[in-house]
Amino acid sequence: DQQVKQNSPSLSVQEGRISILNCDYTNSMFDYFLWYKKYPAEGPTFLISISSIKDKNEDGRFTVFLNKSAKHLSLHIVPSQPGDSAVYFCAASVNRLAFGKGNQVVVIP
Amino acid sequence: EPEVTQTPSHQVTQMGQEVILRCVPISNHLYFYWYRQILGQKVEFLVSFYNNEISEKSEIFDDQFSVERPDGSNFTLKIRSTKLEDSAMYFCASSWTGYTDTQYFGPGTRLTVL
Repeated sequence: DQQVKQNSPSLSVQEGRISILNCDYTNSMFDYFLWYKKYPAEGPTFLISISSIKDKNEDGRFTVFLNKSAKHLSLHIVPSQPGDSAVYFCAASVNRLAFGKGNQVVVIP
Repeated sequence: EPEVTQTPSHQVTQMGQEVILRCVPISNHLYFYWYRQILGQKVEFLVSFYNNEISEKSEIFDDQFSVERPDGSNFTLKIRSTKLEDSAMYFCASSWTGYTDTQYFGPGTRLTVL
């Protein structure tokens, strides 16, 4: 099942710089997209979402962009902070959540 | 802040044994979910539950699995006869409305089948 793909499994970024995470999907029926963050020994924590009728949603330091024609979404974190070091999951939904494999982000102080 | 809780945090069992994983969703939520994550792999949807019945289930959720909301607060996942490949983290989640609403996840139960 490769409906949601996250490539580049890990990312290192300097504190204060921008982190950009990418996600591609194959199912054109997906109508709701989310990003979750996960720390070790914890469950995924909701970060931000976007519905298919929008192309951008912003919440503080986090912005999600959706390009439906390319079946691509991205998460921008700016400025990155050391507490942002975690695994980030992209998820998409039509009637159930499908997750990507996750990206490990390390923010270097 | 309300949170989803899960017990136990770690369960070790012998192959062929039955296990019950327990979850207490956020109290005013109406939709409940189970997911699993095998080590190194994706978080995978197992089942969603609403109004005391299964609303969606994945191909993974076969006859060995069942879910129940035995009272007003608990939501359980039972695996009748565990297999080695059932070893995984199992996450419970809940939401106020359906799949377009934010799902809040518990910390997970690590199931180890020997």
